[in-house]
Amino acid sequence: QSALTQPASVSGSPGQSITISCTGTSSDVGSYNLVSWYQQHPGKAPKLMIYEVSKRPSGVSNRFSGSKSGNTASLTISGLQAEDEADYYCCSYAGSSTFVPYVFGTGTKVTVL
Amino acid sequence: EVQLVESGGGLVQPGGSLKLSCAASGFTFSGSAMHWVRQASGKGLEWVGRIRSKANSYATAYAASVKGRFTISRDDSKNTAYLQMNSLKTEDTAVYYCTRLGSDWGQGTLVTVSS
Repeated sequence: QSALTQPASVSGSPGQSITISCTGTSSDVGSYNLVSWYQQHPGKAPKLMIYEVSKRPSGVSNRFSGSKSGNTASLTISGLQAEDEADYYCCSYAGSSTFVPYVFGTGTKVTVL
Repeated sequence: EVQLVESGGGLVQPGGSLKLSCAASGFTFSGSAMHWVRQASGKGLEWVGRIRSKANSYATAYAASVKGRFTISRDDSKNTAYLQMNSLKTEDTAVYYCTRLGSDWGQGTLVTVSS
C-alpha cells in the first residue's frame, strides 16, 4: 500500500483560500468516504480537522472544509490565518480485507506568506 | 476527558527489542480499536498497525515495513495497548503515537535505534 500523494507545499497570503489535494487509488480514497485530515504543528501530536471526507469535529473552525472526487480528496482552508501554518496529512481507510487497512498521505507544509 | 499516555520509548541497539505501552482513560477502551502511528524526524506520519476490540476478535493488521517484527496487543482490564518491537532497525527510529485515529492521540514516545 503506497502513501497517498499530496503536494509538498502550498502557500497563501492571509485571507486567501488554499486547497490541498490527496490522491489515492480506487482501493482507498476512491472506494470509501473515510478520508480524514490532520493538522500538525511542530513538536505536537496531529489534530483531527476533517473526518469522513467533509465532516468537522466540534471546535474546528468552519474555515476548514473537505471534499472528494474520484480518487482525490481535498482540504480547503478559507480566510487563511497565521495559525494555519502547519503540516497537513490526509488519511484514508483501505478496507478490512486488505493487509494494510489505513494509509496516510505524504504531507503538505502550508506556509502563510 | 480522553487521555492516551505512551511510555517505554528509549535508546536501543539495532537488532534489539522494545515494548511500548499506551495507557488509556476517558472512554470505553474495550470497545475501541487502537492504532500506532510513527513519525521519523522531519518526515511524515506512517500508520504502523492496529488492534481491534474483543468483539472483532482482537484482529491485528500491520504496515508492510513492520510486519513480522512488531506485535500489537492489549489488556482491556488495564485499559492499555502495547507495541512489541523486535529486530529493530535504524529506520524504526521515530516518535511513536498511540491513537484511536480520530481526535484522540497521545503525546508520543521517542524510540531511537542506534549503536
